[in-house]
Amino acid sequence: AQSVAQPEDQVNVAEGNPLTVKCTYSVSGNPYLFWYVQYPNRGLQFLLKYITGDNLVKGSYGFEAEFNKSQTSFHLKKPSALVSDSALYFCAVRALNSGNTPLVFGKGTRLSVIA
Amino acid sequence: GAGVSQSPSNKVTEKGKDVELRCDPISGHTALYWYRQSLGQGLEFLIYFQGNSAPDKSGLPSDRFSAERTGGSVSTLTIQRTQQEDSAVYLCASSYPAAANTGELFFGEGSRLTVL
Repeated sequence: AQSVAQPEDQVNVAEGNPLTVKCTYSVSGNPYLFWYVQYPNRGLQFLLKYITGDNLVKGSYGFEAEFNKSQTSFHLKKPSALVSDSALYFCAVRALNSGNTPLVFGKGTRLSVIA
Repeated sequence: GAGVSQSPSNKVTEKGKDVELRCDPISGHTALYWYRQSLGQGLEFLIYFQGNSAPDKSGLPSDRFSAERTGGSVSTLTIQRTQQEDSAVYLCASSYPAAANTGELFFGEGSRLTVL
């Protein structure tokens, strides 16, 4: 069975500082990994995904994530946080060669960027 | 272009009533998913439709929940005899028939259900 853990319910960071939102996963075989963001009263928006290739993936709004197979992690990062980055962030996984099967999501991490 | 459309955006109902939630996916997307988002619970998978295949209902929490997808497009999630614990945001998503399951999901803005 696939699973995703986001160990922090809440992350607080000062504007302009780097931010990291942590994610670890469990899946049989190779994973496809995704990050989504949810702004208040909105649906989820896709940020970035790791499929294969370079372990460092760049996505929307200046976010990036690093796939680490040995640590089974896919942490989301941004060099300089903005107040507008404050939102709920979800990590998700799907197993390789599992078709268009549903993504398995973590419980989410609420990011608060303080001016 | 149009995204995933869900209706109603908000629904307040009394315990024991039935409710229907509608999802209109992006045109051309063959896969459609329903998730439930409860406070502090993250996203819980409910049901998945892929083309003309039998749906994956493994996430439905009880037999009060059902869903159908007519003509490979619009989907309706029905909750019978609603209970207070059914209160949540119900999210619908769709995706392209991407090769090698690399495609991301596109989400609607959700239907917020409150059961009094």
